[in-house]
Amino acid sequence: TQLLEQSPQFLSIQEGENLTVYCNSSSVFSSLQWYRQEPGEGPVLLVTVVTGGEVKKLKRLTFQFGDARKDSSLHITAAQPGDTGLYLCAGAGGSNYKLTFGKGTLLTVNP
Amino acid sequence: NAGVTQTPKFQVLKTGQSMTLQCAQDMNHEYMSWYRQDPGMGLRLIHYSVGAGITDQGEVPNGYNVSRSTTEDFPLRLLSAAPSQTSVYFCASSPGGTLTWNTEAFFGQGTRLTVV
Repeated sequence: TQLLEQSPQFLSIQEGENLTVYCNSSSVFSSLQWYRQEPGEGPVLLVTVVTGGEVKKLKRLTFQFGDARKDSSLHITAAQPGDTGLYLCAGAGGSNYKLTFGKGTLLTVNP
Repeated sequence: NAGVTQTPKFQVLKTGQSMTLQCAQDMNHEYMSWYRQDPGMGLRLIHYSVGAGITDQGEVPNGYNVSRSTTEDFPLRLLSAAPSQTSVYFCASSPGGTLTWNTEAFFGQGTRLTVV
């Protein structure tokens, strides 16, 4: 069974601060996805990383896939209240089309 | 283009009742999945389908049935509701195929189910 551990589970910061969320596994994934979920809504895909060592940027969000494709990080620069939400990582493994989700990081950015 | 549509949005059931959660997608996606989301547990896969006529069990399938008679629809049936099935249920679809984005999931807005 593939498991994804996310940390921290909860994060409360002030507007303007930087933060990093981690997603770790002992398994290798063919790709890793990050989602954001707002209250009362379904998760929405932010990015997919595929290649070991890959870095993708989405405005103030930077996503990195580990060289061994077992871990990933999400870094937010100068967080804003609009970044508040549940961030989920999900791994896809090889020919296994099922996604494995981490338990999520609940981020609160206070004005 | 509606994406993934789930109905109903809210439902209260009595223990032992049965019901069907509806899910439809209009993106011609091959893969469809049902998840439940509980506090501290993340998203757990209930059942999934890789195409019409093909379904398989996920991590927590007990008490639930699915069928996939068309590409568009993937209903989830609760056979005899129990309080442990109180949760938020999400349906998702993914393109499928062999491209790198084949598993990228598009989620519905969820069904909040309470079993009393």
